[in-house]
Amino acid sequence: AQTVTQSQPEMSVQEAETVTLSCTYDTSENNYYLFWYKQPPSRQMILVIRQEAYKQQNATENRFSVNFQKAAKSFSLKISDSQLGDTAMYFCAFMSHGGSQGNLIFGKGTKLSVKP
Amino acid sequence: GAGVSQSPSNKVTEKGKDVELRCDPISGHTALYWYRQSLGQGLEFLIYFQGNSAPDKSGLPSDRFSAERTGGSVSTLTIQRTQQEDSAVYLCASSLEFSPSGQEAFFGQGTRLTVV
Repeated sequence: AQTVTQSQPEMSVQEAETVTLSCTYDTSENNYYLFWYKQPPSRQMILVIRQEAYKQQNATENRFSVNFQKAAKSFSLKISDSQLGDTAMYFCAFMSHGGSQGNLIFGKGTKLSVKP
Repeated sequence: GAGVSQSPSNKVTEKGKDVELRCDPISGHTALYWYRQSLGQGLEFLIYFQGNSAPDKSGLPSDRFSAERTGGSVSTLTIQRTQQEDSAVYLCASSLEFSPSGQEAFFGQGTRLTVV
């Protein structure tokens, strides 16, 4: 069974600084998707960034980028130029590539606080 | 609709009563997920529907929990004889089974259930 581990329950960063959130996962599959979701206090889950496992290039979305290490089963999120609005829970998630194994599995989350 | 819609937004019920939570997925999405999020915790997988396949019920915590999806669209999560430990936010998400752009699960804003 797939598992997702986020080893940092809480982190804080100064505004405009860079922070990296860690995520590791365990799977025997070769094709899958990885995601980072943001959950602000409004509790709406918002997709931040996604990575297809077959792509070697790390995904980037504006200030957000990932370091995807397939062999190490690691998928960290880097937030550059942190903003106060980045304060939220961040969840790493794994999804199998279609078919009957489509369960979306989440880590326990990292609470990120951006301080002015 | 434009997004995943969940109702009610908040529900307070007495211990021992049954409750029904509703999820309207994005039109055309074949996959539908239910998750439970206890206060300050991660997302606990409950059940997954994919098209006409038998649902994956492996996450349901007890036989008091059940879910159905009528016509491949709207889903209802039913909790019978509610207990105080059932108090949580129940999140629903939907996604396409296959997408050239990569699968993404879209979430509703959840139903906050409080059992008193």
